[in-house]
Amino acid sequence: GQQVMQIPQYQHVQEGEDFTTYCNSSTTLSNIQWYKQRPGGHPVFLIQLVKSGEVKKQKRLTFQFGEAKKNSSLHITATQTTDVGTYFCAGPLGYNFNKFYFGSGTKLNVKP
Amino acid sequence: DTGVSQNPRHKITKRGQNVTFRCDPISEHNRLYWYRQTLGQGPEFLTYFQNEAQLEKSRLLSDRFSAERPKGSFSTLEIQRTEQGDSAMYLCASSLARLAGAYNEQFFGPGTRLTVL
Repeated sequence: GQQVMQIPQYQHVQEGEDFTTYCNSSTTLSNIQWYKQRPGGHPVFLIQLVKSGEVKKQKRLTFQFGEAKKNSSLHITATQTTDVGTYFCAGPLGYNFNKFYFGSGTKLNVKP
Repeated sequence: DTGVSQNPRHKITKRGQNVTFRCDPISEHNRLYWYRQTLGQGPEFLTYFQNEAQLEKSRLLSDRFSAERPKGSFSTLEIQRTEQGDSAMYLCASSLARLAGAYNEQFFGPGTRLTVL
């Protein structure tokens, strides 16, 4: 089963509202990646975080990696209808670099 | 188109039949992953190749599943004696990593949707 959990599972927001999804791992992550999957599409890479406590921004998106490297978050400011999709966090658990685990995902719906 | 391609895009088969999927990664990428994704779930790791070597195989991958990457380029995933529970989207992804233990973004293909009747 999934060893990387995400909450919430679903989020419905009005366009212009903010959105946050949280990713929690049972073990330390050497790094974490975030992907977006549009309905009917395939996952598309957004960003990678490597350092403990790292924060990265991409326009309206802010990504954080926890100090213990067991959790991460993605925050979207002022959502737009183009943000609709499912957001996944993913990474290798522990130091087994060959296994890559995806979270359960947060499905975002934005109402215009 | 220089992205990851997968064939076929859709496959409908009867229970007990064998199926084979193909993945053509981005040409210079040395890492190739296979995932399985069911509705409402994240991609589940199946197996991973570094060049032609299969370095990891999930326990989810029963002995009915086999994957190859014979020349370190394209890869095939075969499922023998398919079961209804095998119905899912099978995704392939590739990446380029120049250092051991380094990670780069994975580029996903469009997937092969398998339906087992």
